[in-house]
Amino acid sequence: AQTVTQSQPEMSVQEAETVTLSCTYDTSESDYYLFWYKQPPSRQMILVIRQEAYKQQNATENRFSVNFQKAAKSFSLKISDSQLGDAAMYFCAYRGIQGAQKLVFGQGTRLTINP
Amino acid sequence: NAGVTQTPKFRILKIGQSMTLQCTQDMNHNYMYWYRQDPGMGLKLIYYSVGAGITDKGEVPNGYNVSRSTTEDFPLRLELAAPSQTSVYFCASTVRRDGEKLFFGSGTQLSVL
Repeated sequence: AQTVTQSQPEMSVQEAETVTLSCTYDTSESDYYLFWYKQPPSRQMILVIRQEAYKQQNATENRFSVNFQKAAKSFSLKISDSQLGDAAMYFCAYRGIQGAQKLVFGQGTRLTINP
Repeated sequence: NAGVTQTPKFRILKIGQSMTLQCTQDMNHNYMYWYRQDPGMGLKLIYYSVGAGITDKGEVPNGYNVSRSTTEDFPLRLELAAPSQTSVYFCASTVRRDGEKLFFGSGTQLSVL
């Protein structure tokens, strides 16, 4: 079974600075997708960024980018120019391409932005 | 287009009571999922369905039941509620397409006292 581990329960960063959230995963599959979801206090689950495992190029969405290391099974999220609205829980998630394609979540990292 | 709709948003149950959490999606998605999120934790899969009439257990199915009689609806039944079931419950849906994101409902905050 696939597992996802986020080793940083909490992180904080100064507004306008850069922060990196870590994620590692374990799988025996060769093709899969990785996601970062943001959960603000409203509880809404918001997709931040998606990475396809067969693509070597790291995904980027505006101020959000990932560092995907397939051999190391590492998938970190970098937030540049942090804004107050970035404060939230961030979840790393894995989705395979076989069967029911269930989404497996990490434990989450609570990100605080200091003004 | 309402997306994924969950009801109720909040509920307090007494130990031993039963209830059904409703989930409806209007996107014609085949795949539907129920997750629970304990305080400060990630989401754990309770049950899932790949189509009407087909359901299967996830990581934490004990104390729950589901049914999928239509493509749109995927209710979650709690029998004999216990304090350990205090959690936020999320319903999600998606299509059978590699890498497609999940669409989440707004969640149900359940407290069992």
